[in-house]
Amino acid sequence: AQTVTQSQPEMSVQEAETVTLSCTYDTSESDYYLFWYKQPPSRQMILVIRQEAYKQQNATENRFSVNFQKAAKSFSLKISDSQLGDAAMYFCAYSSYNTDKLIFGTGTRLQVFP
Amino acid sequence: DTEVTQTPKHLVMGMTNKKSLKCEQHMGHRAMYWYKQKAKKPPELMFVYSYEKLSINESVPSRFSPECPNSSLLNLHLHALQPEDSALYLCASSQRTSGTARATYEQYFGPGTRLTVT
Repeated sequence: AQTVTQSQPEMSVQEAETVTLSCTYDTSESDYYLFWYKQPPSRQMILVIRQEAYKQQNATENRFSVNFQKAAKSFSLKISDSQLGDAAMYFCAYSSYNTDKLIFGTGTRLQVFP
Repeated sequence: DTEVTQTPKHLVMGMTNKKSLKCEQHMGHRAMYWYKQKAKKPPELMFVYSYEKLSINESVPSRFSPECPNSSLLNLHLHALQPEDSALYLCASSQRTSGTARATYEQYFGPGTRLTVT
């Protein structure tokens, strides 16, 4: 069975600085997807970024980028130029290819200080 | 439009009540999901509908009854709930393709219904 681990329950960052959230996963599959979701206090889960395992290039979405290390089964999220609106719970998630199930990590609460 | 809507936003019900949660999407997605989320925990999958047919039931108690009247709507009927069922209930949808075409099944979530069972 696949598992997702987020070892940082809480992180904090100063506004305009950079922060990296860690995620590791365990799978025997070679084809899968990885996601980072953000859940602010308003509680809606928002997709931040996705990565296809067959792509070697790391995904980037504006200030958000990932460091995908397939051999190490690591999928970290880097937030550059942090903003107050980035404060939220961040969930790393795994999905096998062609499946309906998302497997979530336990989440990392990010605080952003002015 | 990447919007999934859910009603109501908040619901308080007694253990003998019958109520329903509603979810709607107009993105043409063919898979829809119900999740339960307790405070400070990740969402837990409850049900998946694919092409309007129930494809996954994660051993959810029968007091939760899902229904998919059409490809845009998903309901969750609640009956005889317990206080431990109090949680945030999230609906999500994702694009589904038939055949072997590769697709990225990212799920789009609604804002949730905060349910309190008294």
